[in-house]
Amino acid sequence: DAGVTQSPTHLIKTRGQHVTLRCSPISGHKSVSWYQQVLGQGPQFIFQYYEKEERGRGNFPDRFSARQFPNYSSELNVNALLLGDSALYLCASSLVVASNTEAFFGQGTRLTVV
Amino acid sequence: LAKTTQPISMDSYEGQEVNITCSHNNIATNDYITWYQQFPSQGPRFIIQGYKTKVTNEVASLFIPADRKSSTLSLPRVSLSDTAVYYCLVAPLKAAGNKLTFGGGTRVLVKP
Repeated sequence: DAGVTQSPTHLIKTRGQHVTLRCSPISGHKSVSWYQQVLGQGPQFIFQYYEKEERGRGNFPDRFSARQFPNYSSELNVNALLLGDSALYLCASSLVVASNTEAFFGQGTRLTVV
Repeated sequence: LAKTTQPISMDSYEGQEVNITCSHNNIATNDYITWYQQFPSQGPRFIIQGYKTKVTNEVASLFIPADRKSSTLSLPRVSLSDTAVYYCLVAPLKAAGNKLTFGGGTRVLVKP
């Protein structure tokens, strides 16, 4: 069975540009969450979607947005990129919304902003 | 959410048992304790989860004392491939939103 897949694996963007990251959850999982992991730190929660609705949002600026599609895949969009947005972006899927449910993470997208 | 404190790093040798203790003094009644493992350039991987006493699976054991103010992840007979960052998380039962709050984690280095 395929795990959580993210694309692209690596990305280089210039300051001010826009980026779209994609995530396909494990088959049957309806919840998708996004995390940002800066080098040397733990992942930080950005968004959580369940059944195409936003169920949680972390402390990130409005430049960050996301959506979930009918097939439960998801996109994370970041506008007006800053150097500080350089990080590993992780997508996690789970069966349901409850936080004691095991979350399965993808390999992440390494974004470098220059 | 309960704040967690764990050692920044630990060194060990192949074949030894590694115990990582996490403090969570203000854990709430409905909070579960979960541990994740993360290898470089990979996403975190769920290891074990518990509420009280002891939980054991094929990978690790989790010991939680009666007051639940701390927990200890035990990795038996580690190998080089167990070198990773280990995160202790505390989250309420059935919270509205699957928000996982990661701290800095414990970097475990297993030496030959």
